[in-house]
Amino acid sequence: KAGVTQTPRYLIKTRGQQVTLSCSPISGHRSVSWYQQTPGQGLQFLFEYFSETQRNKGNFPGRFSGRQFSNSRSEMNVSTLELGDSALYLCASSLGGIPHEKLFFGSGTQLSVL
Amino acid sequence: LAKTTQPISMDSYEGQEVNITCSHNNIATNDYITWYQQFPSQGPRFIIQGYKTKVTNEVASLFIPADRKSSTLSLPRVSLSDTAVYYCLVGTSGSARQLTFGSGTQLTVLP
Repeated sequence: KAGVTQTPRYLIKTRGQQVTLSCSPISGHRSVSWYQQTPGQGLQFLFEYFSETQRNKGNFPGRFSGRQFSNSRSEMNVSTLELGDSALYLCASSLGGIPHEKLFFGSGTQLSVL
Repeated sequence: LAKTTQPISMDSYEGQEVNITCSHNNIATNDYITWYQQFPSQGPRFIIQGYKTKVTNEVASLFIPADRKSSTLSLPRVSLSDTAVYYCLVGTSGSARQLTFGSGTQLTVLP
């Protein structure tokens, strides 16, 4: 079974631009959650989608948004990029979205904002 | 949300047992405790999960005292390949996922 796939693996953008990251969950998984990882703040929860609906959102500004498609694939968008948005963005999938069930993470998208 | 606190780093030698403790004073009644392992340039990988007392699997043990305000991940006989960052995660129950990651503990296993 293929794991969680995130594309692209690396991305370089400039301030003010917007970016879209993609996540393909493990087949059969219906929940996708997104995380931002930085050396200073560690791993922080962005949001979670289940059956195309956002179920929860972390403490991030509205510039961060996402969506989930009917095939469970998910995209995350960051508008008006700031230097502080440089980070590793991880997505994770799980079967049915029960809060304590095991998460399967992708390798992430490394975003650099110049 | 339950805030978690872990040591920033730990060193150990090959073959030793390593114990990493996570503090989560505000853990809610239905919260589970999960530990993940992360290698550089990879996403975290599930290690073990528990609710109370002790849980053991093929790679680790998890000890949770009765008050559940802390938990200890125990790695028996570590090897160089166990060098990684270990995260303690406390998740709430209910329909929404409120996930709190600890700051992570960098474990370095020395030869």
